[in-house]
Amino acid sequence: QKEVEQDPGPLSVPEGAIVSLNCTYSNSAFQYFMWYRQYSRKGPELLMYTYSSGNKEDGRFTAQVDKSSKYISLFIRDSQPSDSATYLCAVNAGGTSYGKLTFGQGTILTVHP
Amino acid sequence: NAGVTQTPKFRILKIGQSMTLQCTQDMNHNYMYWYRQDPGMGLKLIYYSVGAGITDKGEVPNGYNVSRSTTEDFPLRLELAAPSQTSVYFCASSLPPGLAGRNEQFFGPGTRLTVL
Repeated sequence: QKEVEQDPGPLSVPEGAIVSLNCTYSNSAFQYFMWYRQYSRKGPELLMYTYSSGNKEDGRFTAQVDKSSKYISLFIRDSQPSDSATYLCAVNAGGTSYGKLTFGQGTILTVHP
Repeated sequence: NAGVTQTPKFRILKIGQSMTLQCTQDMNHNYMYWYRQDPGMGLKLIYYSVGAGITDKGEVPNGYNVSRSTTEDFPLRLELAAPSQTSVYFCASSLPPGLAGRNEQFFGPGTRLTVL
């Protein structure tokens, strides 16, 4: 069983749609949860960061973590063509494992004008 | 600041050849990482370093070697290249725990390597 599972998509939505991206993980030791965005032929960049369970909102983006079900989500409201990218979830246990991120497979999102 | 820079951008190797992928960061970050990204597979950690002179294996270290003689540079060496090493390689850096509020890693633009 992979430590992090992410629906690879691809996902294609019209502009203005609400997008839901999801990951599940297997190791209850993970306590840091991140979403990275990667544009085509570029390096990933950190989009959202959450510690432990709960919701975090930043503009049109909301990250949600449910540690009881080992489920993490990223919601994008009012999606824009500029949101078209690959979205990667990443988890980390912290402590002596600080920095050793485990990534999901990535979901390719296309937002059509 | 240039951030994290990687050279070369592209490279084609023949089976059995060797090469070094260069990575430099100008943010004075202690921590540096090497990942590989295969299509549909996310990123997998190859090696990481917590400071000059200190390196450790990640998830997929076989066939690679690293060194860290300065804070700025973290080269990745491929010995005896194999087709299975065809991938996109990303270098990243970060602050250490306690200073990195968002546990954020900063990535370079990547090196696309093909082994034929």
